[in-house]
Amino acid sequence: GQNIDQPTEMTATEGAIVQINCTYQTSGFNGLFWYQQHAGEAPTFLSYNVLDGLEEKGRFSSFLSRSKGYSYLLLKELQMKDSASYLCAVRGDDTGRRALTFGSGTRLQVQP
Amino acid sequence: GAGVSQSPSNKVTEKGKDVELRCDPISGHTALYWYRQSLGQGLEFLIYFQGNSAPDKSGLPSDRFSAERTGGSVSTLTIQRTQQEDSAVYLCASSIPGLGVTDTQYFGPGTRLTVL
Repeated sequence: GQNIDQPTEMTATEGAIVQINCTYQTSGFNGLFWYQQHAGEAPTFLSYNVLDGLEEKGRFSSFLSRSKGYSYLLLKELQMKDSASYLCAVRGDDTGRRALTFGSGTRLQVQP
Repeated sequence: GAGVSQSPSNKVTEKGKDVELRCDPISGHTALYWYRQSLGQGLEFLIYFQGNSAPDKSGLPSDRFSAERTGGSVSTLTIQRTQQEDSAVYLCASSIPGLGVTDTQYFGPGTRLTVL
């Protein structure tokens, strides 16, 4: 089966750094995605990892360890606008089904 | 178009009625997905279309749910005899199938369905 776990809620302070973890057990692996979703809006693509290591994109970085079934999203220099839900999603078997399996999301609250 | 569009943005219906939700994917995106997001839960895959291939319907929760995609572009998700547990946000996404990050799914704003 498919299982993706991430914390339900996190709180951090403006200007700080926060790490959102994601662990997964899926049948097959063909990439892990992070999406940001503000309340009442569509998820927007943040990052993609398919090989082990760190991918950096401005204030956001994402890390993957395939052997551990583990990823994290790192947000630096937090801003109030970063308050949102962060969704971890895995693409499993690359033949046929291309759909993503999503975790329940981590709701991040950035405080002044 | 500039992005994935969905209509209506909100739909309130009575239990037992049928509803149709529409999705316009990004121009040139041959893959189209429907997901459902219930309150406080993750996105749940419903159905996937790719070009002229048979759709992957493995996520549809019951035979009350169906979807079609006409002309390889616009898609309609139909829910017959709606139940209260069908209340959710229905999200559509599209992508260009391929390897790696090129096959990134881009989401529409969703349709919030409320079944009374």
